[in-house]
Amino acid sequence: SAVISQKPSRDICQRGTSLTIQCQVDSQVTMMFWYRQQPGQSLTLIATANQGSEATYESGFVIDKFPISRPNLTFSTLTVSNMSPEDSSIYLCSVDSGQGADTQYFGPGTRLTVL
Amino acid sequence: GQQLNQSPQSMFIQEGEDVSMNCTSSSIFNTWLWYKQDPGEGPVLLIALYKAGELTSNGRLTAQFGITRKDSFLNISASIPSDVGIYFCAGLSTSGTYKYIFGTGTRLKVLA
Repeated sequence: SAVISQKPSRDICQRGTSLTIQCQVDSQVTMMFWYRQQPGQSLTLIATANQGSEATYESGFVIDKFPISRPNLTFSTLTVSNMSPEDSSIYLCSVDSGQGADTQYFGPGTRLTVL
Repeated sequence: GQQLNQSPQSMFIQEGEDVSMNCTSSSIFNTWLWYKQDPGEGPVLLIALYKAGELTSNGRLTAQFGITRKDSFLNISASIPSDVGIYFCAGLSTSGTYKYIFGTGTRLKVLA
């Protein structure tokens, strides 16, 4: 399985600011995903990060609010823009297994608190 | 859209007991995954299921891919305190785009 790291692991931010979260994988992967997990809730897919093209966003999520970069096959960033307290969540990066089987592995998450 | 409901929502059990939980949907899925999430951590993959009727074990965990492709089950035998956590099922969407839909979660608490 892939080893995934995220930075920062947690942050406390002020309303109106932006935070960029980094996701690094120890091997090349085809697909990377960004999820949001609100307190006490399940995981909701924000977008699929596509290498070399624009990310594919799920309903309810827009590029202006959650810009995503995917410069290569091992790295992606998610920015949470113009934050409000409602953005306080855990943000998780995941990757596909890349071994012909449909599985996903997750990073440790970034716990964001917006004051 | 496709949704997954897990039951029970939460459960308290005694150490040593067996645990059963399930995941159901009104839509069919092609792949089922089961994850465990500890506080402050990302979900960890426990078991992956790829074929209707498939039964797969991982230590004390056993999961089954329902014959109708609309449900999946996870059993934990002889529970221990470290089994505490939230268990999520996830189904691979058949709506055309490659993405997983996550269940609502089952919170397990083990009483020593």
